[in-house]
Amino acid sequence: EAGVVQSPRYKIIEKKQPVAFWCNPISGHNTLYWYLQNLGQGPELLIRYENEEAVDDSQLPKDRFSAERLKGVDSTLKIQPAELGDSAVYLCASSQSSGANVLTFGAGSRLTVL
Amino acid sequence: QKEVEQDPGPLSVPEGAIVSLNCTYSNSAFQYFMWYRQYSRKGPELLMYTYSSGNKEDGRFTAQVDKSSKYISLFIRDSQPSDSATYLCAMRYAGNNRKLIWGLGTSLAVNP
Repeated sequence: EAGVVQSPRYKIIEKKQPVAFWCNPISGHNTLYWYLQNLGQGPELLIRYENEEAVDDSQLPKDRFSAERLKGVDSTLKIQPAELGDSAVYLCASSQSSGANVLTFGAGSRLTVL
Repeated sequence: QKEVEQDPGPLSVPEGAIVSLNCTYSNSAFQYFMWYRQYSRKGPELLMYTYSSGNKEDGRFTAQVDKSSKYISLFIRDSQPSDSATYLCAMRYAGNNRKLIWGLGTSLAVNP
């Protein structure tokens, strides 16, 4: 079975440009997470979905970040416009609704903003 | 003070050594304690998790929780070069609060 699939793996853009990341979770996993990870840091939660509902988006900078999970399966995270400080790895993870400790992560999307 | 403290290392050991990785935390309400391993340019993967205090063993890995000291450990026996990675601790409250609080991660290099 395929794991959590993320694309693109790498993205280089100039500041003020938009960027979007896509995530396809493990089949049957109702909970989907978007995390941000800076070098030498632990993951920081941006948003958590239960099916198609965003149940925790308190750490999502809503002025420039948006996310959607239509139909409760795959998800897209968008940044518009990107800033230099957005350079990081964006990780998607999924879990079963009952498995809050067992997150399966994708390989991440590494964003560089020039 | 951060809720979870973890020494970022780096930690360098010879092959076959016993490795001890640790995290301390400040909130006594944490009930679930997890260790994730992250290889370079990969996402974290769960090694093991424990509930409340005690030990849990899985092969060469042992997780230990001391709630009285607010201290958790991960021991790796007979370390291998393939264990070279960053080890992240994470923890959360019991119940419906599913938010994980993460440490910074400790970078480990096992030298052949």
